[in-house]
Amino acid sequence: EPEVTQTPSHQVTQMGQEVILRCVPISNHLYFYWYRQILGQKVEFLVSFYNNEISEKSEIFDDQFSVERPDGSNFTLKIRSTKLEDSAMYFCASSTLAGGFSEQYFGPGTRLTVT
Amino acid sequence: EDKVVQSPLSLVVHEGDTVTLNCSYEVTNFRSLLWYKQEKKAPTFLFMLTSSGIEKKSGRLSSILDKKELFSILNITATQTGDSAIYLCAVFNAGGTSYGKLTFGQGTILTVHP
Repeated sequence: EPEVTQTPSHQVTQMGQEVILRCVPISNHLYFYWYRQILGQKVEFLVSFYNNEISEKSEIFDDQFSVERPDGSNFTLKIRSTKLEDSAMYFCASSTLAGGFSEQYFGPGTRLTVT
Repeated sequence: EDKVVQSPLSLVVHEGDTVTLNCSYEVTNFRSLLWYKQEKKAPTFLFMLTSSGIEKKSGRLSSILDKKELFSILNITATQTGDSAIYLCAVFNAGGTSYGKLTFGQGTILTVHP
């Protein structure tokens, strides 16, 4: 069964460093998303992406964040200068249709620890 | 602001019991409601509901949506220890010209004892 994959599973970085989280969405999916979950809190939407453009972003997704689809398979989330409060589990998701017409499938997540 | 509230926050039962998990929502431009099961890491998709009153079933799990009263329930019958997990409810807000986003509830932690 096709699945969303993410690497690395755990990333430890120092405050102020740049990190890139990688995702390979399901191959026939066209819509891609990043969510995060701070320990003990709700899963929160960060950004949605379609046709090489951001379609929506939350207030969390400030200038320190960027997303890219560098080739036909990878989808990346970059945090330019990490802060302690960026420590969280980051989930990538993908779907065939947008706008809630199809379910989103989630990857296993990358646990980011900023020290 | 979109809001999704789940209850109870946690539930402890014994194998064989039946449980009902609740999800209420306040979302502009509602499109669909989704249930996920979260064990160690990734939320795993269970159901997507878009129409009121139509029950969706998968084995011992079932779910239904009430768009008039703005809630959904997830039922699990004959629970097993493998059902122990966090159950997440999420609502899709197809707002404006965007492709929409999922707003999640805080989850219900279900623990099933042998």
